[in-house]
Amino acid sequence: AQSVTQLGSHVSVSEGALVLLRCNYSSSVPPYLFWYVQYPNQGLQLLLKYTSAATLVKGINGFEAEFKKSETSFHLTKPSAHMSDAAEYFCAVSSRVGTGNQFYFGTGTSLTVIP
Amino acid sequence: EPEVTQTPSHQVTQMGQEVILRCVPISNHLYFYWYRQILGQKVEFLVSFYNNEISEKSEIFDDQFSVERPDGSNFTLKIRSTKLEDSAMYFCASSEQGSNQPQHFGDGTRLSIL
Repeated sequence: AQSVTQLGSHVSVSEGALVLLRCNYSSSVPPYLFWYVQYPNQGLQLLLKYTSAATLVKGINGFEAEFKKSETSFHLTKPSAHMSDAAEYFCAVSSRVGTGNQFYFGTGTSLTVIP
Repeated sequence: EPEVTQTPSHQVTQMGQEVILRCVPISNHLYFYWYRQILGQKVEFLVSFYNNEISEKSEIFDDQFSVERPDGSNFTLKIRSTKLEDSAMYFCASSEQGSNQPQHFGDGTRLSIL
């Protein structure tokens, strides 16, 4: 079974500061991992994905995430926060087996950027 | 860039009524999904659909729910005899292939049951 834990339901950073959003996964098989962003009244937009190639994955809007198997983590980072980064961020894990391919989402982290 | 579109954006329905939520997935995608997000909670998987049949469903997806791809472009979620607790945001998603492919989400339909 797969699951995702996102530590910190709310994160506040100053504009220009480092963004770190934490995600730990549990999976009985090598996982596929994804980060999505959700702006108010919108759907989920893919930020980046890990599918067993490079462990450091670069995404859109300057975000990146590093897959660390030993820590079962896939934390999302951005060197310098921008006001437009304020949104809800979701980590998701997918199984490599079966044909259903459901995503298991974390509870989300709301990012606030302080001017 | 192609996108998943969902209609309506907001649906208000009396308890006990049936609702149909509509989705147009990205045209070359083969896998289709429905998720729901109750206010303040996480996104939950409902069902996945491939090759004109359900490939996986969660415990939430009971006999009250059904999905259909009626015409090769639309993908619908029907909820029969709606209950107050069905109030949520419902997201449709599609992907090209299997589990290593990202799922592309629509903007959702907000379902309010009165």
